[in-house]
Amino acid sequence: SYVVTQPPSVSVAPGQTARITCGGDAIGSRSVHWYQQKPGQAPLLVIYYDNARPSGVPEGFSGSNSGNTATLTIGRVEAGDEADYYCQVWDPISDHPVFGGGTKLTVL
Amino acid sequence: QVQLQESGPGLVKPSQTLSLTCTVSGGSIDSGDHYWHWIRQPPGKGLEWIGYISHRGTTFYNPSLKSRVSISGDTSNKEFSLNLNSVTAADTALYFCVRGDYGRPFDLWGQGRLVTVSS
Repeated sequence: SYVVTQPPSVSVAPGQTARITCGGDAIGSRSVHWYQQKPGQAPLLVIYYDNARPSGVPEGFSGSNSGNTATLTIGRVEAGDEADYYCQVWDPISDHPVFGGGTKLTVL
Repeated sequence: QVQLQESGPGLVKPSQTLSLTCTVSGGSIDSGDHYWHWIRQPPGKGLEWIGYISHRGTTFYNPSLKSRVSISGDTSNKEFSLNLNSVTAADTALYFCVRGDYGRPFDLWGQGRLVTVSS
């Protein structure tokens, strides 16, 4: 089935920009969704269809998707953004959803 | 406002069947075009999709679990359930019930139910 790959960890200083990647074969031809998960909580959708932001999600969250890499960008990172982030696509060949392994964002 | 809540035993013995139920409050599993999923997360690890039941009652499972999994729906009680048989310690995880239409993002999650497989 389709495989999507994320870096295990990303670190960024407060106020800087964090970029979390999600790699996959021709992932730019698929829709990518991103979830934020804080300890002890269920995942929360933060970006859907590559770059759409649900209501209530801060404007600092944005997404892009092209070629073999999708990217979640978090501008002006705050301590409250520290969490695990997962990308997800729907694999049309195996006909089921697939998650990346997750990236732990650490705010220094 | 639709909410999801998982329930079921938190401890299951090896080789037995794990059974969980998800109650849908404020909605119904046979309304709209919704698909109702189970997703799990082993302690300290990532998310794994288990399977879904659609608003029409069709089911689809992760090939890696297909031989051990079944998902069923009870429209009168607004519930859907997960059964996973022949469990081992590797099935210890936080189990989430989730709403997500076919091919679309997961927009509504339950809080999760931790199930431990141990004798």
